[in-house]
Amino acid sequence: DIVMTQTPLSSPVTLGQPASISCRSSQSLEHSDGNTYLSWLQQRPGQPPRLLIYKISDRFSGVPDRFSGSGAGTDFTLKISRVEPEDVGVYYCTQATQFPYTFGQGTKLEI
Amino acid sequence: QVQLVESGGGVVQPGRSLRVSCAASEFTFSSYEMHWVRQAPGKGLEWVAVISYDGRSKSYADSVKGRFTISRDNSNNALYLQMNSLRTEDTAVYFCARAGSGSRLDNWGQGTLVTVSS
Repeated sequence: DIVMTQTPLSSPVTLGQPASISCRSSQSLEHSDGNTYLSWLQQRPGQPPRLLIYKISDRFSGVPDRFSGSGAGTDFTLKISRVEPEDVGVYYCTQATQFPYTFGQGTKLEI
Repeated sequence: QVQLVESGGGVVQPGRSLRVSCAASEFTFSSYEMHWVRQAPGKGLEWVAVISYDGRSKSYADSVKGRFTISRDNSNNALYLQMNSLRTEDTAVYFCARAGSGSRLDNWGQGTLVTVSS
């Protein structure tokens, strides 16, 4: 199974300031079809997960443009350009390149 | 707006069975691969199972293989997870999720809590 490792696990942030979360996979996430199926999810307290970013850097419908994704191979990053109060929650990276899908441990974003 | 509504959770004794359901609406259910993902209390996300759009292909996490069965009824826009030989470590909120293009899990239900306890 592909192991997904996130850092940091907890991130105190300041409103209006940027934030960044890293995710590393135990093997390359590049699929034989040429795509890299790395996504980022946000889970606000008491809510189900919500898709933010897919295929490394594609922003899902309705996701604010302050969220961006980057990376390749085994190293990926989620960036928030200016943290807003509604960004509090836990962020997960996840890979869909091969079964079983796997998730990072989660990074808790705290104001 | 895509809607996924899970139901069927509850308290069950170890070794017993339970079936959870996911009712889908506002999209063409029969065109999409569907997943179950679970989250133990206070823990992270764990992928459980997937079923192809037509129900012919299925895959499971090792932790549930041989005990859980994923199925779907495209005529009724419903997804199911039959859980047998339940263990205390199966206690979790079970989410159904739709897989959109690019294998993204793009829509999630609110989840249903399954508690395995004597």
